[in-house]
Amino acid sequence: QVQLQESGPGLVKPSQTLSLTCTVSGGSISSGSYYWSWIRQPAGKGLEWIGRIYTSGSTNYNPSLKSRVTISVDTSKNQFSLKLSSVTAADTAVYYCASLTITMVRGVRHNWFDPWGQGTLVTVSS
Amino acid sequence: EIVLTQSPGTLSLSPGERATLSCRASQSVSSSYLAWYQQKPGQAPRLLIYGASSRATGIPDRFSGSGSGTDFTLTISRLEPEDFAVYYCQQYGSSRYTFGQGTKLEIK
Repeated sequence: QVQLQESGPGLVKPSQTLSLTCTVSGGSISSGSYYWSWIRQPAGKGLEWIGRIYTSGSTNYNPSLKSRVTISVDTSKNQFSLKLSSVTAADTAVYYCASLTITMVRGVRHNWFDPWGQGTLVTVSS
Repeated sequence: EIVLTQSPGTLSLSPGERATLSCRASQSVSSSYLAWYQQKPGQAPRLLIYGASSRATGIPDRFSGSGSGTDFTLTISRLEPEDFAVYYCQQYGSSRYTFGQGTKLEIK
């Protein structure tokens, strides 16, 4: 069973770049069954999709964050990463990595996020 | 961007009661791209329902999903103590994923 674990600094200064890594265990990140995503959640608020990457390196980003986001994959380490530049206090949140399944069910394309990592809190503050 | 609006914001019920949670989309959503998640404090969201009505692996059959177009519903037939949590709906459309703001299900 695939498991995901986020890692990275818990404190980032304003205007700097937030960098997180998600390590995938229990399966290969190169499996064609999954995309790999980042999702964030400010304290006490809802969930915001940041972006996704396929093992080929193909990416899609939330238009609201696109200018500041880069997601990459390292298949040799079974990891994928998030970089968010020019951060402000508004980027303070719990950041989750998640496996995104996109598959055909009874001839119709479906997708869903499962499983998720446990999440990591990133605070933007000087 | 497709906006998902969940109602009510908070639902106060007792164990054993039936819970009905609503998710309304600002425009039509493909049912195959509608999912529901449960989140407990300090935990990551957990997939409950995909394709609007299919239960994820290991999810009890007291959880059911229904709906189409712009109106979707998550029903918990008989609440267990462990069901009190925040529930989110999520959709994919226009090349992006969006979540509702959540419904908090609390013990009355």
